[in-house]
Amino acid sequence: EVQLVQSGAEVKKPGESLKISCKGSGYSFTNYWIGWVRQMPGKGLEWMGIIYPGDSDTRYSPSFQGQVTISADKSINTAYLQWSSLKASDTAMYYCTRKSSSWYGWFDPWGQGTLVTVSS
Amino acid sequence: QSVLTQPPSVSGAPGQRVTISCTGSSPNIGAGYDVHWYLQLPGTAPKLLIFDNNNRPSGVPDRFSGSKSGTSAFLAITGLQAEDEADYYCQSYDSSLSRSVFGTGTKVTVL
Repeated sequence: EVQLVQSGAEVKKPGESLKISCKGSGYSFTNYWIGWVRQMPGKGLEWMGIIYPGDSDTRYSPSFQGQVTISADKSINTAYLQWSSLKASDTAMYYCTRKSSSWYGWFDPWGQGTLVTVSS
Repeated sequence: QSVLTQPPSVSGAPGQRVTISCTGSSPNIGAGYDVHWYLQLPGTAPKLLIFDNNNRPSGVPDRFSGSKSGTSAFLAITGLQAEDEADYYCQSYDSSLSRSVFGTGTKVTVL
């Protein structure tokens, strides 16, 4: 079974750093793009960026470029999303998801989500 | 601001048919890029419902169907059931943004 399992919920203070993870299993991790999607409380899905674990080719949405860093460690089938200095506005649920084999295709499956709460 | 626009909400009685629209433009749906649909039940992660405009993954009931015409796509739910109450999102590719884009989302309420 193809599965993405994300790290647990985090509570942080403004200005702190954070790295959340997404571990893939049941497929060849290096051969599929992994995307990150933000969902702020009560809001819709926002595409943040995507990484190809095979060669770490990474693309960002302009809205998130410079605000987060996406990386991957193919030796342990894990992708990461990190912040160097969190803001209260980063409070959201973050999902990782696997892109289909087509660059123009769909996302499936999805991780269970990591809730990030930033509050002083 | 999303480039794919959906109605904020639709509702219907059990057993009825509802349709959700996803309106794009020439760099995305109008350019011929496929549209995919996701279902998000309350408190859970999105789940793929329809891929490549009108294909259902294994396990998705045939009550759900998709179509595309011009710069819009549509998700139809027939025989509406209480468990269909959820948020629904469309997704496509936008050539001007060079990335995937999601719709604004539609909340389906079963009356």
